Amino acid sequence: GENVEQHPSTLSVQEGDSAVIKCTYSDSASNYFPWYKQELGKRPQLIIDIRSNVGEKKDQRIAVTLNKTAKHFSLHITETQPEDSAVYFCAATDTGGFKTIFGAGTRLFVKA
Amino acid sequence: GAGVSQSPSNKVTEKGKDVELRCDPISGHTALYWYRQSLGQGLEFLIYFQGNSAPDKSGLPSDRFSAERTGGSVSTLTIQRTQQEDSAVYLCASSLRTSTALNTEAFFGQGTRLTVV
Repeated sequence: GENVEQHPSTLSVQEGDSAVIKCTYSDSASNYFPWYKQELGKRPQLIIDIRSNVGEKKDQRIAVTLNKTAKHFSLHITETQPEDSAVYFCAATDTGGFKTIFGAGTRLFVKA
Repeated sequence: GAGVSQSPSNKVTEKGKDVELRCDPISGHTALYWYRQSLGQGLEFLIYFQGNSAPDKSGLPSDRFSAERTGGSVSTLTIQRTQQEDSAVYLCASSLRTSTALNTEAFFGQGTRLTVV
């Protein structure tokens, strides 16, 4: 079955710097890769997603890249702000869409 | 309702007792997931329901865990003979999956915080 690995587990950056979170997946049939943000005490919420037919997607300060050959995808946050502090989860859903498997999460701290 | 609703929001139970956790998905959503999140940890997949298909139970950690989804809507997760290591937040999520929209956003409930004492 699908296995998703996520790095780093913790990331601390200065406000205004960029943050990059990387994930790898094992199932080459996976074709949908969402990213979720979970603020303290709240539920995870989708922030951006990418499908296997594109290599990059951007939405304001966040962008996601996908390398299907290498089976890895990354989240990039530019001009980080304190409110970006949260746990970020990458995920992969297989072609059948039968289940979404999450990475272990990255705790991002943005220092003012 | 407008979102995924879970009840109860908090549950404290004695070791050895059974508990039932409830999830009301977004109306019309065909896919429903249960995940477990231990303190400070990631999201552990438990079980997945899709329409009338047989559920994917591959993530259930032991035979003390079971789940049902009645009428393709409400789901209950049952933990029998609870143990202290079952203490966690149990999150339910639903998504709309059709023949033309296979992979879509999963909407999470607020979770049930289970504490086994």
